[in-house]
Amino acid sequence: SQQGEEDPQALSIQEGENATMNCSYKTSINNLQWYRQNSGRGLVHLILIRSNEREKHSGRLRVTLDTSKKSSSLLITASRAADTASYFCATDAGTGANNLFFGTGTRLTVIP
Amino acid sequence: EAGVAQSPRYKIIEKRQSVAFWCNPISGHATLYWYQQILGQGPKLLIQFQNNGVVDDSQLPKDRFSAERLKGVDSTLKIQPAKLEDSAVYLCASSGGPGELFFGEGSRLTVL
Repeated sequence: SQQGEEDPQALSIQEGENATMNCSYKTSINNLQWYRQNSGRGLVHLILIRSNEREKHSGRLRVTLDTSKKSSSLLITASRAADTASYFCATDAGTGANNLFFGTGTRLTVIP
Repeated sequence: EAGVAQSPRYKIIEKRQSVAFWCNPISGHATLYWYQQILGQGPKLLIQFQNNGVVDDSQLPKDRFSAERLKGVDSTLKIQPAKLEDSAVYLCASSGGPGELFFGEGSRLTVL
């Protein structure tokens, strides 16, 4: 299966701390994306990193990609209670068809 | 810009009954996806359309699930007959090209 795996499955931190989530995947990719899902809602795109990139920033988000280890990490700095959500990594199949396969997700709880 | 619209938001049926979900993608988006998300898991791709043609339906249980995208715009996903294990959120997404997917709020199905 192409599906990735996130680690940890659940993470609980205090407001203001940093949160790091990891994702591993199995096959070649063109890009890797991170999405956020609030409880009972749809997924919202956060950031995309291409296979030839190693690091990308967007506001309080920092994403790294190591294609040799088939892994990625998402760092959220200075977390806020509003960051409480599930976070998923998604990879394409490397075919150019843009069919995304999602991981199992990390449930982040930020305690005010 | 209007987002991806899905209906109904909630549906409760008895096993062996049928159900249909509707999705209207973002205007101009050629690619439309249906994902199934079981509670506590990541979304699983059921089917991907490019305009009104199927790109990938390898994970669609074709004995009971069907989907169509007539005229290359909105789409319907049907389950007939439903099983208990079909209880999930059915997410529709669309994209205008390689990269980011835009998701609807989902249709939550409970099969009793």
